[in-house]
Parts: sequence; C-alpha cells; structure tokens
Amino acid sequence: KAGVTQTPRYLIKTRGQQVTLSCSPISGHRSVSWYQQTPGQGLQFLFEYFSETQRNKGNFPGRFSGRQFSNSRSEMNVSTLELGDSALYLCASSRGQLQETQYFGPGTRLLVL
Amino acid sequence: QKEVEQDPGPLSVPEGAIVSLNCTYSNSAFQYFMWYRQYSRKGPELLMYTYSSGNKEDGRFTAQVDKSSKYISLFIRDSQPSDSATYLCAMKDAGGTSYGKLTFGQGTILTVHP
Repeated sequence: KAGVTQTPRYLIKTRGQQVTLSCSPISGHRSVSWYQQTPGQGLQFLFEYFSETQRNKGNFPGRFSGRQFSNSRSEMNVSTLELGDSALYLCASSRGQLQETQYFGPGTRLLVL
Repeated sequence: QKEVEQDPGPLSVPEGAIVSLNCTYSNSAFQYFMWYRQYSRKGPELLMYTYSSGNKEDGRFTAQVDKSSKYISLFIRDSQPSDSATYLCAMKDAGGTSYGKLTFGQGTILTVHP
C-alpha cells in the first residue's frame, strides 16, 4: 500500500507571495492533518480535515488555510508569506477515528526569502 | 510551560547499548501515546503506539506509560547505528476537540556509534 505523498518536496518563495502544498493520503484514509515543523517550535498542529470538513484547527493565523477534496486529497495554502513561515510542512493521514494514530508523509520544505 | 517536555539531547551511545528516551506531560487528558522516529530530511515514522498505562514490546523496542506520574519512556535494546535519528514522543486526548491533533515533544537526537 502506498504511503502518504506530498508535493512539491522543496519550495523557495519570497516574502509576500503565497504557496499551495498538496497531500495525498494513504488509500482508504479519510482524515488528513497538517503540521509545521521548525527547529525552535518543533512539530505544531495546523488543522485536520475529514470528509472535506475541517474538524480541528491549531493556533495559527488566518494566513494558513486548507481544504480537502472528495478523494481525500488535501491542500494547504499560506498567503502573504513571512520569513518565519520557513519550515518543513508535514501531512499525516488516518482513517479518522479518535483512537487512531497517524502516518506521516515526507514533508514539503519551504524556504521564504 | 509546554504540555509535553522531552530532553533534546543529543544522546550518544555505543553500538549494543540500551537506550532510554523519556517524556513528561502536564495534560492529564492525554490517553494515547506514540513514539515516532525521524531520520534527517524525512517525515516521522511510527514506532510504537500505546493506549493508557502499561508496557508494550515490539522487537528491540519497549514503550512504557505511567499515567500516574505523567511519564512515558521508550527503551531500545541492542542499539544499532541505523537507530541514529531523532525520536519524538506524541500524545493525544480522547475528546472530540482532539481530532487529528497530536501534541509532540521537542524530539531527542540519538547517535549510535559503531
């Protein structure tokens, strides 16, 4: 069974631009969560989608948004990029039950100049 | 104070050593406990998953959860150079507001030298 895939793997953007990252979950998984990983803050939860609905959201500004499609693929968007948005963005998938753990993709490394 | 505290190390051990990694937490609502391993430039890989208190063993890995002390551990026996990675503890509560949300420790960098 294929794992979680993320595209692109690397991105370089400049301040003020916007960026869209994509995530395809494991086949059969309907929940996709997004995380930001930085050396200073570690892994921080952004939001979670299940069946095209956002069920949970972390403590990030409104510049960070996401959506999920009917095939469970998800995208996240960051608008008006800031230098501090440079990070590894990880998505994780599960079937969506509370007790289940998550399986992570390889991440998208974003550098904002 | 962070909800989950984990000593970032780095931890350096000789091959064959027993490694002990630990996390403490403050949120008594956490019910599900995980350990992930992350190699450089890769995503986290699930190693162990336990529910509530107790021990779980899988090959060279043993996970322990002590909810009364709010303390979890991961033991690696007969450590190998291929175990060199960052180890992340993660936790989740059982409430409806926790859908999809894992709370992570900072990660411990482990190096096993031949």
